[in-house]
Amino acid sequence: DAGITQSPRYKITETGRQVTLMCHQTWSHSYMFWYRQDLGHGLRLIYYSAAADITDKGEVPDGYVVSRSKTENFPLTLESATRSQTSVYFCASSLDPGGGYTFGSGTRLTVV
Amino acid sequence: KQEVTQIPAALSVPEGENLVLNCSFTDSAIYNLQWFRQDPGKGLTSLLLIQSSQREQTSGRLNASLDKSSGRSTLYIAASQPGDSATYLCAAHGSSNTGKLIFGQGTTLQVKP
Repeated sequence: DAGITQSPRYKITETGRQVTLMCHQTWSHSYMFWYRQDLGHGLRLIYYSAAADITDKGEVPDGYVVSRSKTENFPLTLESATRSQTSVYFCASSLDPGGGYTFGSGTRLTVV
Repeated sequence: KQEVTQIPAALSVPEGENLVLNCSFTDSAIYNLQWFRQDPGKGLTSLLLIQSSQREQTSGRLNASLDKSSGRSTLYIAASQPGDSATYLCAAHGSSNTGKLIFGQGTTLQVKP
């Protein structure tokens, strides 16, 4: 199906483990984004990408790594998970910088 | 630094009422503004996108306005229905035009039958 898909939908991991959240879009949108959503903080940008092989930090990048070797994929890796990274993570894409965003369904990550 | 504020944080209205959700932003040099809807446990659904050169956008019972000079946007919902119950978020594209959206905290709307 066309669209933007995130996997897994739910994930429980232990402190210190590496975990990767996947994001795949089928529109060939240039721009892709990772946000986290927490009570009291709303949605905060972690990383974004303007095109394949171009990524940049957002508001809260510490502890996260991204890559974008292909236009359609934008994985987010937590190098060593901490409890403070328990959150709901949303991936989004946009055709151009001023265009409308489309969001994925989110990944609920719990770090124990 | 752009900041986006939404007031009130929560709103409860009876079915059929017309209502207005407010969004304010600190940097008037925004590129555009987008309104989203989020249902509990779900992702965000785009409702309306207002380009910086526009003053309003309409979709069905929804109308969003943008006043850059005052740093405000409003989302007007006509004849509210219980199915409109959700959290509504506004987000501003920064003036740097990098595509980054700055989100407000949202207004949680409950429409009572």
